[in-house]
Amino acid sequence: EVQLLESGGGLVQPGGSLRLSCAASGFTFSSYAMDWVRQAPGKGLEWLSGISGSGGSIVNADSVKGRFTISRDNSRNTLYLQMNTLRAEDTAVYYCAKERGGGNSFSDWGQGTLVTVSS
Amino acid sequence: DIQMTQSPSSLSASVGDRVTITCRASQSISSYLNWYQQKPGKAPKLLIYAASSLQSGVPSRFSGSGSGTDFTLTISSLQPEDFATYYCQQSWLLFTFGPGTKVDIK
Repeated sequence: EVQLLESGGGLVQPGGSLRLSCAASGFTFSSYAMDWVRQAPGKGLEWLSGISGSGGSIVNADSVKGRFTISRDNSRNTLYLQMNTLRAEDTAVYYCAKERGGGNSFSDWGQGTLVTVSS
Repeated sequence: DIQMTQSPSSLSASVGDRVTITCRASQSISSYLNWYQQKPGKAPKLLIYAASSLQSGVPSRFSGSGSGTDFTLTISSLQPEDFATYYCQQSWLLFTFGPGTKVDIK
């Protein structure tokens, strides 16, 4: 059974940094692209960033370019999202998601971790 | 960027109703269109990928159709567990979600 468990969320001041983690199990982690998606309170879903199985290819939404960095450690079966220069509008639940074999859709999701940016 | 729109933004329906949700892309995305269901406080769940392929484990009352710019999600007979918000997502160029359609009880 695929399991994705996010951690690292919490309260951070504007301008601060946070690193989210997503521990994966139940599948061959290095064989699948992974992504981060967020959802602001009461709002819709926003795709942020994706990384190939090897980690050699990364794509980002314009909204987070230069501030958020996706990475992965295949030896630890863990996906990361480094978030810098956080703003109030980054307050959201952050989900990690596993792409289907062949990519192009998100077949499995974690439960999400809440990030609150506030002074 | 590819923009996605959905209609309606919300709808009220009864158990047993046939429900149709429409998604439109700002440019052609071939069949690179997915549908997700999200219930309050829960992560989204993939229902349909590649416009019309049913994800494993998803009931057959869910179906998808369309290509190019116009797509449809149909629930043939609405069940109590189907009351949720539904999102379309394009995967032709990066990923973009639609704004969602909330389905609630009439």
